[in-house]
Amino acid sequence: KAGVTQTPRYLIKTRGQQVTLSCSPISGHRSVSWYQQTPGQGLQFLFEYFSETQRNKGNFPGRFSGRQFSNSRSEMNVSTLELGDSALYLCASSEGASGAYFGPGTRLTVT
Amino acid sequence: KQEVTQIPAALSVPEGENLVLNCSFTDSAIYNLQWFRQDPGKGLTSLLLIQSSQREQTSGRLNASLDKSSGRSTLYIAASQPGDSATYLCAVLLSSNDYKLSFGAGTTVTVRA
Repeated sequence: KAGVTQTPRYLIKTRGQQVTLSCSPISGHRSVSWYQQTPGQGLQFLFEYFSETQRNKGNFPGRFSGRQFSNSRSEMNVSTLELGDSALYLCASSEGASGAYFGPGTRLTVT
Repeated sequence: KQEVTQIPAALSVPEGENLVLNCSFTDSAIYNLQWFRQDPGKGLTSLLLIQSSQREQTSGRLNASLDKSSGRSTLYIAASQPGDSATYLCAVLLSSNDYKLSFGAGTTVTVRA
């Protein structure tokens, strides 16, 4: 099976802009979760989707949003970018008790 | 709130030495625990998954134990190699109702040739 894919791999944006990141899970996996990784805060949970429904959300401002499509692909959007949003954004795919499988991440740099 | 701690934060060993990485968590009512490896700037690679009903899992040179009652897991890597140099992260899942992992800060391992 193909692994988790994330696009784009790298992004450079300017403060105030918005960005959309995409994640395609492993075939058959219905859960997609998103994490932000920074040197100072480590890995922090953003939100999780299962069969197009958000089941849980982390402690992030409303500028961070996401959605999931019927084919389980997921997108996350960050509006009004701030310098502090620069991070590695990781998505994970899971199904049942199989454990989580992560994609390669999207490196976002906000200037 | 689940707190996950990994000690030590960094470790440097000569090639061939066995590695012992520790992970502790505050809420023992976990669903499963997973160990990951991360190379610089890369995503996370799953190493071992231990379900709450299991005491250990093994894969090649890797062995992970789980003691739910004391809130601890240990990852053992036998006969370390320079290619084992990476950051190792443990993550716990509290519930199967949603897939929210709580991560430790990781242990950065350097294996010297």
